[in-house]
Amino acid sequence: EPEVTQTPSHQVTQMGQEVILRCVPISNHLYFYWYRQILGQKVEFLVSFYNNEISEKSEIFDDQFSVERPDGSNFTLKIRSTKLEDSAMYFCASGSDRTDTQYFGPGTRLTVL
Amino acid sequence: QKEVEQNSGPLSVPEGAIASLNCTYSDRGSQSFFWYRQYSGKSPELIMFIYSNGDKEDGRFTAQLNKASQYVSLLIRDSQPSDSATYLCAVIWASKIIFGSGTRLSIRP
Repeated sequence: EPEVTQTPSHQVTQMGQEVILRCVPISNHLYFYWYRQILGQKVEFLVSFYNNEISEKSEIFDDQFSVERPDGSNFTLKIRSTKLEDSAMYFCASGSDRTDTQYFGPGTRLTVL
Repeated sequence: QKEVEQNSGPLSVPEGAIASLNCTYSDRGSQSFFWYRQYSGKSPELIMFIYSNGDKEDGRFTAQLNKASQYVSLLIRDSQPSDSATYLCAVIWASKIIFGSGTRLSIRP
């Protein structure tokens, strides 16, 4: 069964450094998403992406964040200058329609020291 | 502000019994509703989706939707220890999922 994959599973970085989190969505899906979950808190929407552009973003997704689909398979989230409060699980998700089911990847645990 | 509300629990249910999980949502225009299961340290895993008023059954799981009351529920029949997890109610609004904070379910042997 096709699934969303994410790399790395765990990323440790120093405050102020740039990180890139990678995702390979399910191949025939057209809608891509990033969510984050701070330890012990709810899953929060960051950004949705369709047709090579951002379709919606939350107030969390400020100028430090960017997304890109550099080729036909990868979908990336870049954090330009990480802060301590960026430490969280980051989940990528994909779906075939904007109101349809979203399937989640296993997540990347980001630790900012 | 779009909200999805759930009782955080923990909800403790004996093995073999029915677990009942509830959720309310604030946006009357919401169309798609989901239940995800999340084990500790893992990603959300889709359990059920429901779009229309009424009940939808899939194996041991039944989702119930009442749009007039803005209420979604999930029933788990014949609860198993492996059902112990956090259950996330989710609503799609403008192409993004709004999650509730989740209900922690514990199935006791």
